[in-house]
Amino acid sequence: DGGITQSPKYLFRKEGQNVTLSCEQNLNHDAMYWYRQDPGQGLRLIYYSQIVNDFQKGDIAEGYSVSREKKESFPLTVTSAQKNPTAFYLCASSSYYLRSYNEQFFGPGTRLTVL
Amino acid sequence: KQEVTQIPAALSVPEGENLVLNCSFTDSAIYNLQWFRQDPGKGLTSLLLIQSSQREQTSGRLNASLDKSSGRSTLYIAASQPGDSATYLCADYGGSQGNLIFGKGTKLSVKP
Repeated sequence: DGGITQSPKYLFRKEGQNVTLSCEQNLNHDAMYWYRQDPGQGLRLIYYSQIVNDFQKGDIAEGYSVSREKKESFPLTVTSAQKNPTAFYLCASSSYYLRSYNEQFFGPGTRLTVL
Repeated sequence: KQEVTQIPAALSVPEGENLVLNCSFTDSAIYNLQWFRQDPGKGLTSLLLIQSSQREQTSGRLNASLDKSSGRSTLYIAASQPGDSATYLCADYGGSQGNLIFGKGTKLSVKP
């Protein structure tokens, strides 16, 4: 089955620790996105990538880093510089054709909690 | 900058009732608009995608409409069921990076 997987489902981080959230897709999509969801707020864009080895900051990139070494994978690292990382993190992907973005599909999410 | 607003924030209805969820956006130069469902602790499930050239889309008991001139979209749910209880999100493909701009959602509760 084609889709997007995220792991782990739950993640706990100690103060000062970096953690990495995994996102994998087998939809052959070019573009991938990371969103953050907080209670009472809409989803906000952290980073996005249109193509392998290229990525751009979104609205709330501070304290996060990403890599895009393979088309299928777009891991997100939450660094110790992110002061309030407790949130629900969602990964999405879409095809990108002729400078046009298409429908986004979402993974099941990772819930990160700071201890 | 595009902003998406959903009213009401929460809605409780008895089973069997027809209902409408509202979504408004500030920039009429909308690209596509999508409605999602989110169950507690889960990811987003796509319900309906309306392209900017369309006025509505239907899937089963769901019907979504798009009125660009008024900056509004509505999601109509017919004959609601307890299984419809979830948070419904609308989002506009208006982000400069191709990302979605989300509303904060409407939390729907359908009582048996």
